[in-house]
Amino acid sequence: QKEVEQNSGPLSVPEGAIASLNCTYSDRGSQSFFWYRQYSGKSPELIMSIYSNGDKEDGRFTAQLNKASQYVSLLIRDSQPSDSATYLCAVRGGNTNAGKSTFGDGTTLTVKP
Amino acid sequence: SAVISQKPSRDICQRGTSLTIQCQVDSQVTMMFWYRQQPGQSLTLIATANQGSEATYESGFVIDKFPISRPNLTFSTLTVSNMSPEDSSIYLCSVDLSSYNEQFFGPGTRLTVL
Repeated sequence: QKEVEQNSGPLSVPEGAIASLNCTYSDRGSQSFFWYRQYSGKSPELIMSIYSNGDKEDGRFTAQLNKASQYVSLLIRDSQPSDSATYLCAVRGGNTNAGKSTFGDGTTLTVKP
Repeated sequence: SAVISQKPSRDICQRGTSLTIQCQVDSQVTMMFWYRQQPGQSLTLIATANQGSEATYESGFVIDKFPISRPNLTFSTLTVSNMSPEDSSIYLCSVDLSSYNEQFFGPGTRLTVL
């Protein structure tokens, strides 16, 4: 089992729809959770951080964390073609990888006009 | 957030040679990380570099192949030694820029080995 698993993708949604990206992690001691956006040929860009159970909203982005289920998700409302990118889930502060981030393989999102 | 720069942005190298990649941050940071991202794949951590101590390498990466320097709190270098085509990849430096474990990435160095 991978330490951080994401939707296999690719994910395609029409413009204006909600895109839902999911991530599960294996280290129950993990403390910090992040979503990065990576455009083709560019480096990852941090878009959301979440540390406690529940929802965290930032503009069109909502991160959701459920530590009991070891699950974190990212919702993108009113998806735009400019949201087309690979989204990486990262988990940090666990018992096995304290101090380091573990990244999922990423989910590629395409938003069709 | 701080500005992170890397040099070179890309390079094409011959097999058997070495390339040193520089990472510069415009603020002092304790931890710097070096990652590799091969085409179509996710990020793989090579090593963690703290100022004043030896870098800590991940399984599968060794100092002889990827020597790292960390002379101060704003700068680090990663050398890819005795390169082979399998070393063709994007190399990224990353730093912690907050007390909330948030990592930020430099723009990356795209390396092609012929």
